Amino acid sequence: EAGVTQFPSHSVIEKGQTVTLRCDPISGHDNLYWYRRVMGKEIKFLLHFVKESKQDESGMPNNRFLAERTGGTYSTLKVQPAELEDSGVYFCASSLNTNTEAFFGQGTRLTVV
Amino acid sequence: GNSVTQMEGPVTLSEEAFLTINCTYTATGYPSLFWYVQYPGEGLQLLLKATKADDKGSNKGFEATYRKETTSFHLEKGSVQVSDSAVYFCALSGQGAQKLVFGQGTRLTINP
Repeated sequence: EAGVTQFPSHSVIEKGQTVTLRCDPISGHDNLYWYRRVMGKEIKFLLHFVKESKQDESGMPNNRFLAERTGGTYSTLKVQPAELEDSGVYFCASSLNTNTEAFFGQGTRLTVV
Repeated sequence: GNSVTQMEGPVTLSEEAFLTINCTYTATGYPSLFWYVQYPGEGLQLLLKATKADDKGSNKGFEATYRKETTSFHLEKGSVQVSDSAVYFCALSGQGAQKLVFGQGTRLTINP
């Protein structure tokens, strides 16, 4: 069975541009999470979907970030416009329910120049 | 709020050395504690976990014991291998919450 898949693996964009990251969770996993690791620091929670609904978006840094999960399957995270401080690794994770193990993708390394 | 502090790296050891990576936490209630590992070019993988005080998580020769009195969850391995080279993250999830709070990660390099 496929694990959590993230696209692209790397992205380099200029400040002010728009980037969309995609996450395909494990099939059947209702819970989907976005995290990011900036500048080698700790990995920080961004938000949590249950199916297509945002359960917790307390970690979203500002309104330049928009996450969607239409249909409760894959999710996208759009950054518009991107700023230099958005550079980092964005991880997606999914779990069957809220008290089972979360499986992580390989991450998307975003570099804003 | 909840937080995790782990030993700063990088850590470099020789093969077969003893490993300890320290992790302490601050949390209300009774969190679950985790160690995740990220091998080069791969995603985060759950290494081990403990869900209540005095529980010991273990996997692949690694162990960590949930110590409530010292709010710690130190990772140990008796004899490391080159293949253990990776970044290790300590994390917690608060009571009733699934989202994870991570430490800053410790890069471990094992030399042959």
